[in-house]
Amino acid sequence: EAGVAQSPRYKIIEKRQSVAFWCNPISGHATLYWYQQILGQGPKLLIQFQNNGVVDDSQLPKDRFSAERLKGVDSTLKIQPAKLEDSAVYLCASSFGGGSTEAFFGQGTRLTVV
Amino acid sequence: KQEVTQIPAALSVPEGENLVLNCSFTDSAIYNLQWFRQDPGKGLTSLLLIQSSQREQTSGRLNASLDKSSGRSTLYIAASQPGDSATYLCAPGESKLTFGTGTRLQVTL
Repeated sequence: EAGVAQSPRYKIIEKRQSVAFWCNPISGHATLYWYQQILGQGPKLLIQFQNNGVVDDSQLPKDRFSAERLKGVDSTLKIQPAKLEDSAVYLCASSFGGGSTEAFFGQGTRLTVV
Repeated sequence: KQEVTQIPAALSVPEGENLVLNCSFTDSAIYNLQWFRQDPGKGLTSLLLIQSSQREQTSGRLNASLDKSSGRSTLYIAASQPGDSATYLCAPGESKLTFGTGTRLQVTL
């Protein structure tokens, strides 16, 4: 079974530029999560999708971050414009659906904003 | 709002020792709890999933317990090996997973 795929693995951009990350969840998984992990901290949920609807985006900085999940499968997370404090690893995870199922994570995208 | 605390923050043990990692959480209304491993620069690997109706779960040298009422979980690692060196994260799950800052484990030769 293929895992959660993310791209790119690494990205370096200048502040005020824009960047986009892509995630392909495990086939059949209805729930998709984007987490932000700053160095030395645990992952923080940015947004959660159930199929192509948003369940929780309470910690997403909506003035600069946006996310979509087209057709309930792949998802993209965009930052525009980027700030220095956005430097982090962005992790995508998916689960079959419902609260009692196991979540699986991708390898993450390491973003450095200079 | 769920808050997760993991103790200790860092741990160094010689190879072969048994060890316990602790996780506490504030909201006991959870569906399950997952333990993850994270190697430097990598994503999270799921180690164990304990459903809220279960008390413990075992996989190889790993055993995780869950006491929902007291908001605690422990991860027991038997006969530690250098390859176990990583950061271990617990995540109680309701509709989403909430993470602590993890325990950074180093197993020395």
